[in-house]
Amino acid sequence: DVKVTQSSRYLVKRTGEKVFLECVQDMDHENMFWYRQDPGLGLRLIYFSYDVKMKEKGDIPEGYSVSREKKERFSLILESASTNQTSMYLCASSPYMGAYNEQFFGPGTRLTVL
Amino acid sequence: SQKIEQNSEALNIQEGKTATLTCNYTNYSPAYLQWYRQDPGRGPVFLLLIRENEKEKRKERLKVTFDTTLKQSLFHITASQPADSATYLCALTNTGNQFYFGTGTSLTVIP
Repeated sequence: DVKVTQSSRYLVKRTGEKVFLECVQDMDHENMFWYRQDPGLGLRLIYFSYDVKMKEKGDIPEGYSVSREKKERFSLILESASTNQTSMYLCASSPYMGAYNEQFFGPGTRLTVL
Repeated sequence: SQKIEQNSEALNIQEGKTATLTCNYTNYSPAYLQWYRQDPGRGPVFLLLIRENEKEKRKERLKVTFDTTLKQSLFHITASQPADSATYLCALTNTGNQFYFGTGTSLTVIP
């Protein structure tokens, strides 16, 4: 079974802090994604990566950056956390390029910024 | 920009009945449409994919239709069970890797 794990299920941070969310997949997938999920807005893509050290902006990249130094690991960084970044963050991976690929999601990290 | 709408209200149905969920989209021409299930506090799980040239796809008690003229997909769960209670998301994709998800429909199957 594909496994996508995220470093924390729940996280509470203060405004202005730098926040790191880690995601690891164990199936040698090429693509990895970071989404945030908010009530009434659904899942919105923040960034995705189709290869090591490669990244593409999604729909809402402002205030976020990402890092993919190894194929299995994709990190989301909030440079200076703000209260409007309080959300559920979901990481996903898919095997290779192509829109017909399903995405495998991690359990999510619920981040609260105070 | 593309817009994806799913049943705006939560759906409550009696056990054994067929649940029908809708996914409507505008300003987009997807090549593929996927359906996911999401349980509370968990990430979405893939259920089915349908291509633009397919009218219908089935998997056990699940059936998906895709009408590119109406810009709509219907997701049916036949002989529904309380264990089917969850939020169901549709996702549209075209070329490339970007997925566009709907906001989801919450389904409750009442015993």
